[in-house]
Amino acid sequence: EPEVTQTPSHQVTQMGQEVILRCVPISNHLYFYWYRQILGQKVEFLVSFYNNEISEKSEIFDDQFSVERPDGSNFTLKIRSTKLEDSAMYFCASFDRGGLLAKNIQYFGAGTRLSVL
Amino acid sequence: RKEVEQDPGPFNVPEGATVAFNCTYSNSASQSFFWYRQDCRKEPKLLMSVYSSGNEDGRFTAQLNRASQYISLLIRDSKLSDSATYLCVVTGLTGRRALTFGSGTRLQVQP
Repeated sequence: EPEVTQTPSHQVTQMGQEVILRCVPISNHLYFYWYRQILGQKVEFLVSFYNNEISEKSEIFDDQFSVERPDGSNFTLKIRSTKLEDSAMYFCASFDRGGLLAKNIQYFGAGTRLSVL
Repeated sequence: RKEVEQDPGPFNVPEGATVAFNCTYSNSASQSFFWYRQDCRKEPKLLMSVYSSGNEDGRFTAQLNRASQYISLLIRDSKLSDSATYLCVVTGLTGRRALTFGSGTRLQVQP
């Protein structure tokens, strides 16, 4: 079964450093998402990306965050200057518009655990 | 009021038991509804979509009541492997396709 791949599985960084989280969505999917989950809390939407631009973003996705699809396969989330409160699991998800648009089934990667020290 | 509200549990049930989870959502314009399952420190995985007519997948039955803005999940004949957190998820809130998650209900099935 095709899957969404995320790297690294765990990223440790110092406060104030930039990090880039990487995702390879399922190959024929058109919509890409980033979510985060702070330990013990619910999964929260950050941003969605379609046709090489952001289509939706949440209040969490401020100027410190950016997303990019630098080539035909990777989808990245950059945090410019990490804060302690950015420590969380970051999940990438992708969605194939296809005939299942109304069902909006998103498939998640295994996540990157970001630890900001 | 929370966008998607669930009883956090935990629900501790013996193997073979039937257990039901409930969820309410705040926006009547919500379009799609799902139950996801999440194991500890893992990604959410789709369990099933939820339709107004109700739907069943093996031991799992989901129901949607749009008038009451209420979603349910019934698990029959619980297995140890059903132990996980069950996430109620909706889309279409505030016009978004992005998924909005509840905080989850934790299920622990005991031998």
